[in-house]
Amino acid sequence: NAGVTQTPKFRVLKTGQSMTLLCAQDMNHEYMYWYRQDPGMGLRLIHYSVGEGTTAKGEVPDGYNVSRLKKQNFLLGLESAAPSQTSVYFCASRTIAGGLEEQYFGPGTRLTVT
Amino acid sequence: RKEVEQDPGPFNVPEGATVAFNCTYSNSASQSFFWYRQDCRKEPKLLMSVYSSGNEDGRFTAQLNRASQYISLLIRDSKLSDSATYLCVVIFSGYSTLTFGKGTMLLVSP
Repeated sequence: NAGVTQTPKFRVLKTGQSMTLLCAQDMNHEYMYWYRQDPGMGLRLIHYSVGEGTTAKGEVPDGYNVSRLKKQNFLLGLESAAPSQTSVYFCASRTIAGGLEEQYFGPGTRLTVT
Repeated sequence: RKEVEQDPGPFNVPEGATVAFNCTYSNSASQSFFWYRQDCRKEPKLLMSVYSSGNEDGRFTAQLNRASQYISLLIRDSKLSDSATYLCVVIFSGYSTLTFGKGTMLLVSP
């Protein structure tokens, strides 16, 4: 049981390049989330999904796209990276099955855009 | 409006001290409350849920005051390993998302 994994752990991009961050969970959780964390800003929600095939915008969605084609995977795409997207990205999965609330985070992806 | 406010700190305390953090939230129609712990450059991890009647887990006690719209975390007998940032988290009624405070930093010194 790996929990929540994120790929890659680190990445450096040049402005204008694209990339996809992969989040995978093996806990059969319904909900999945992408956050970014910047110094002094706390965790900010980018996009989220309440189930396979569904996605929704969070607090800071501009410049990002997501897809959840399979329940266990949640992909975050940057079509044209900008220096303002330099951040630490955390994925999380969550379940509220049986009234039990559980949310687990992945270890994070550290992205630098130059 | 969904807002969660925390004192950023840092709170500097000696080992063995008792320390308390508060967190205020904006919307009285709030559903669930949690404290998370985040170590430097690591992912947040759930520390404890906060129940209406208050709850305790070892040296940690969490309380909820719905009338005043705040939750608290009390840490007794602080250890060096308690040094971290503590995040207050609220799930507002009708929402599928968690709202995080910016965190309170705790530094426990020998």
